[in-house]
Amino acid sequence: DIHMTQSPSSLSASVGDRIIITCRASQNITTYLNWYQQKPGKAPKLLIYAASNLQSGVPSRFRGSGSGTDFTLTISSLRPEDFARYYCHQSYSVPITFGQGTRLEIK
Amino acid sequence: QVQLVESGGGVVQPGRSLRLSCAASGFTFSTYSIHWVRQAPGKGLDWVAVISYDGNNIYYADSVKGRFTISRDNSKNTVHLQMDSLKPEDTAVYYCARDGYSYGLINWFDPWGQGTLVTVSS
Repeated sequence: DIHMTQSPSSLSASVGDRIIITCRASQNITTYLNWYQQKPGKAPKLLIYAASNLQSGVPSRFRGSGSGTDFTLTISSLRPEDFARYYCHQSYSVPITFGQGTRLEIK
Repeated sequence: QVQLVESGGGVVQPGRSLRLSCAASGFTFSTYSIHWVRQAPGKGLDWVAVISYDGNNIYYADSVKGRFTISRDNSKNTVHLQMDSLKPEDTAVYYCARDGYSYGLINWFDPWGQGTLVTVSS
């Protein structure tokens, strides 16, 4: 199984800050890496697919990068609605696996 | 609009069965694979199973293999998850999600349904 490790597990930041969340795969997954945002009581929402492609309707302050085993999600200027939990997800092979999540909190 | 709606959750005793359904609308259902993903209370996301657009390819997580069965009815735009021999550790919100590519199998997930809660407890 491919293990996905996100860091940090939690992060405190302020509106307007730039933050970076990292995701590391236990083996090469090329660009089969996706990012989701989840707010309390809601279903996850796709932000970035195939490592760097912005899903339609997602603000351009979200950016994904990386390939192989190391990936990042950058939010360039935090808005109040961005405070949520974020998950990376590998779709390279079965079993599909997720990172443990990063909780983004308001400082 | 593209929509997935889960149903069938509830409280069930250990060892019993439950059948979840995922009803799709707003897209050509027969061309998309569908996944089930669960989330235990306060925990992360855990992939459960996938069924291909034509039903010919099915994969399960090891934790549910032999106990859960995924199926689909393209004439009714519905996917089912039959859950047998339920355990307390199966307690979670169960989401269905559409695969990202038409005629794909394992890509990104979009959209997701709102989820249905399954509680396994005596």
